[in-house]
Amino acid sequence: DQQVKQNSPSLSVQEGRISILNCDYTNSMFDYFLWYKKYPAEGPTFLISISSIKDKNEDGRFTVFLNKSAKHLSLHIVPSQPGDSAVYFCAAIRPTGKLIFGQGTTLQVKP
Amino acid sequence: DTEVTQTPKHLVMGMTNKKSLKCEQHMGHRAMYWYKQKAKKPPELMFVYSYEKLSINESVPSRFSPECPNSSLLNLHLHALQPEDSALYLCASSQRTLGNEKLFFGSGTQLSVL
Repeated sequence: DQQVKQNSPSLSVQEGRISILNCDYTNSMFDYFLWYKKYPAEGPTFLISISSIKDKNEDGRFTVFLNKSAKHLSLHIVPSQPGDSAVYFCAAIRPTGKLIFGQGTTLQVKP
Repeated sequence: DTEVTQTPKHLVMGMTNKKSLKCEQHMGHRAMYWYKQKAKKPPELMFVYSYEKLSINESVPSRFSPECPNSSLLNLHLHALQPEDSALYLCASSQRTLGNEKLFFGSGTQLSVL
């Protein structure tokens, strides 16, 4: 049972344009969501998070939107840069502390 | 200091070997985690320690044995592993295990079992 889903395995955008990465979840018990960026053979790096009491959180070029009724969140990167090319994981935390990751989306930003 | 340090970075071991993975953090975090990641898959939770006590074991085989000697250190003892256990092993920490904590990850140990 995949509780956190990222249905797009890959995304390719042009440098300077917007990247939109999507994530859906099934468990209404999740109340905190995070996005991580990961390079091969390295640990995930925290990017941005959002609590379920908010619908938007912004940090520089990164904005996360949460639609609780649709159980959907998205990460917007504006403007996209070649250094943003990596695998992006959406994750959700249960109150027990269990962090559940989606399958990841590989973002390629072309110069 | 927002680092989680894992050693070694790479490890090759035979199926009869005993080895240990080490993880250290000095952020004062009281929750520490072991995750396993296979290629092209998301990290999967193995163990959670909260205040040095094991709070979650995700039905991990007994050939993996975690240990939390103190609040800054987390070990994963490996014995009689199988080739399918080859993966990237990630350690993480957070302030606590409440539902609104972000986890900080180490760079991982790339393990190959021959």
